[in-house]
Amino acid sequence: GESVGLHLPTLSVQEGDNSIINCAYSNSASDYFIWYKQESGKGPQFIIDIRSNMDKRQGQRVTVLLNKTVKHLSLQIAATQPGDSAVYFCAENIAEYGNKLVFGAGTILRVKS
Amino acid sequence: SAVISQKPSRDICQRGTSLTIQCQVDSQVTMMFWYRQQPGQSLTLIATANQGSEATYESGFVIDKFPISRPNLTFSTLTVSNMSPEDSSIYLCSVAPNTGELFFGEGSRLTVL
Repeated sequence: GESVGLHLPTLSVQEGDNSIINCAYSNSASDYFIWYKQESGKGPQFIIDIRSNMDKRQGQRVTVLLNKTVKHLSLQIAATQPGDSAVYFCAENIAEYGNKLVFGAGTILRVKS
Repeated sequence: SAVISQKPSRDICQRGTSLTIQCQVDSQVTMMFWYRQQPGQSLTLIATANQGSEATYESGFVIDKFPISRPNLTFSTLTVSNMSPEDSSIYLCSVAPNTGELFFGEGSRLTVL
């Protein structure tokens, strides 16, 4: 299907290597962050989240790091697999704005076999 | 979690016509959100739809162009009115049943000729 990531930055990694996808967020009042994965022709799928009172959270093969000082979020994927190829978006939530999520620009991850 | 169904999944429309997108959720939710994803770009919030009240639109989106209905706690529609080629996008319905994490439908991919 048509890719939704035609104009987005691309990260290419070798299968089995670790991937790090970065995101800068805009609002210091953001209190909740989510990483989404979007495969071609599909809606975004939740990967992992983190609240602002934490600086690290781990899931299965994924880790999210939050640096509030510089307003930076990263997603680390261990042992990247071909099925990880997708567009990845970070999203920030500001509770006082009614829990609306604001999405970052997105990064295309391409996994080379 | 929540399962979201959107119709149509894709359509090709003529300039000047209007199209209504339906969103059905498998559970009752207070807030439903409509996002737009233009080709090669990230997701932008159009409006928040609460049952029993007028939708709340984000800056740059107006009710005349994107009328929304929310007749009950499991259903919403978004109409894209008087379409132009610039409206060619993926339109995504989402819900946040537990406050925070957003679940998305697969999206409705519109092409306007």
